[in-house]
Amino acid sequence: AQSVTQLGSHVSVSEGALVLLRCNYSSSVPPYLFWYVQYPNQGLQLLLKYTSAATLVKGINGFEAEFKKSETSFHLTKPSAHMSDAAEYFCAVSGATGNQFYFGTGTSLTVIP
Amino acid sequence: GAVVSQHPSWVICKSGTSVKIECRSLDFQATTMFWYRQFPKQSLMLMATSNEGSKATYEQGVEKDKFLINHASLTLSTLTVTSAHPEDSSFYICSASTSGDPTDTQYFGPGTRLTVL
Repeated sequence: AQSVTQLGSHVSVSEGALVLLRCNYSSSVPPYLFWYVQYPNQGLQLLLKYTSAATLVKGINGFEAEFKKSETSFHLTKPSAHMSDAAEYFCAVSGATGNQFYFGTGTSLTVIP
Repeated sequence: GAVVSQHPSWVICKSGTSVKIECRSLDFQATTMFWYRQFPKQSLMLMATSNEGSKATYEQGVEKDKFLINHASLTLSTLTVTSAHPEDSSFYICSASTSGDPTDTQYFGPGTRLTVL
């Protein structure tokens, strides 16, 4: 079975500081992993995805994530937080037999001016 | 590109009535569409997967007779909540992809807020 765990339902960082949002996965097959962002009153938007190519994946808005098989992790980072990064972030793993997504519980990011 | 719309964006209905929610892919053909449910402060829970022209596949614990899904065309899927009750109140989100490949990106609609009185 596929699942993801996001540690920390709320993360606060100062503007300009490093953003680190954690995601650990459990999968019975090689996983395909995704990070989505949800701004208030909007649909989920893809940030980046890992599909077994490069382990360091670069996404939109300066975000990147590194797939670490030994740690079963896919943490999302951004070197310098911007006020516009405040949103809900979801990690997801793709199903084994199709692309059903199984989401983590989400992490709400607050950026302090 | 890759825009998914949902209609309505919010709906309030009386207990016992049925509500239909539409999900459309506006600029691409979606062979596979997904329906999720999101409770306040919680994650998205996959309810069902639908492929155009075939019956939907429901996740364990989801009542298929209560949540009717139709995917009649490559750009439209509908979710009908039948005989809705207050516990069905939730945020329903659809997504679409161009194939059922596990590496495919899913494009999400903005969601529909259902309140059952």
